[in-house]
Amino acid sequence: EVQLVESGGGLVQPGGSLRLSCAASGFTFSSYAMNWVRQAPGKGLEWVSYISSSSGTRYYADSVKGRFTISRDNAKNSLYLQMNSLRDEDTAVYYCVREETYFDYWGQGTLVTVSS
Amino acid sequence: DIQMTQSPSSLSASVGDRVTITCRASQNINTYLNWYQQKPGEAPKLLIYSASSLQSGVPSRFSGSVSGTDFTLTISSLQPEDFATYYCQQSYSSSSFGQGTKLEIK
Repeated sequence: EVQLVESGGGLVQPGGSLRLSCAASGFTFSSYAMNWVRQAPGKGLEWVSYISSSSGTRYYADSVKGRFTISRDNAKNSLYLQMNSLRDEDTAVYYCVREETYFDYWGQGTLVTVSS
Repeated sequence: DIQMTQSPSSLSASVGDRVTITCRASQNINTYLNWYQQKPGEAPKLLIYSASSLQSGVPSRFSGSVSGTDFTLTISSLQPEDFATYYCQQSYSSSSFGQGTKLEIK
């Protein structure tokens, strides 16, 4: 069974940093591209970042470019999102998502709250 | 960047109704269009991929179609468990989502 389990969310002050993790199991992690998608409270889905299976290609939404960094460790079956210079508008549930040109498996999400 | 315009933003319907949700891409995305269903407090669930392919385990009352840059999700006969929010997503160039359609009980 495919499982994606996010961790690392919490309350952080504006300008602060946070690192999200996603532990993957039930599939060959190193064969799949992965993404982070977020959802602000009461709002729609927003794609955040993409990383290819080998880490050779990474994409970011304009809203996080230069502040967030996506990475992965295929030996540990883990995906990461380093978030720096956090803003109020980054408050959201962050989902770890497996890609097969479509997003077929999603984690349950981890809540990040940016507030003073 | 590719913009996805989804309509309507909300919709009221009754059990047994036929419902259609539309998504328009700002440029050609071939058939790299996917549909998701999200219920409150849950992660989104993939319904349709590549514009018209039904994800395994999804009821056949869900279907997708395409005409140029216009994509449609149709639910042929609404069931109580279908009341949720639906999103389209393009995966042609990185990714982007439509604004969502909240389907409510009339």
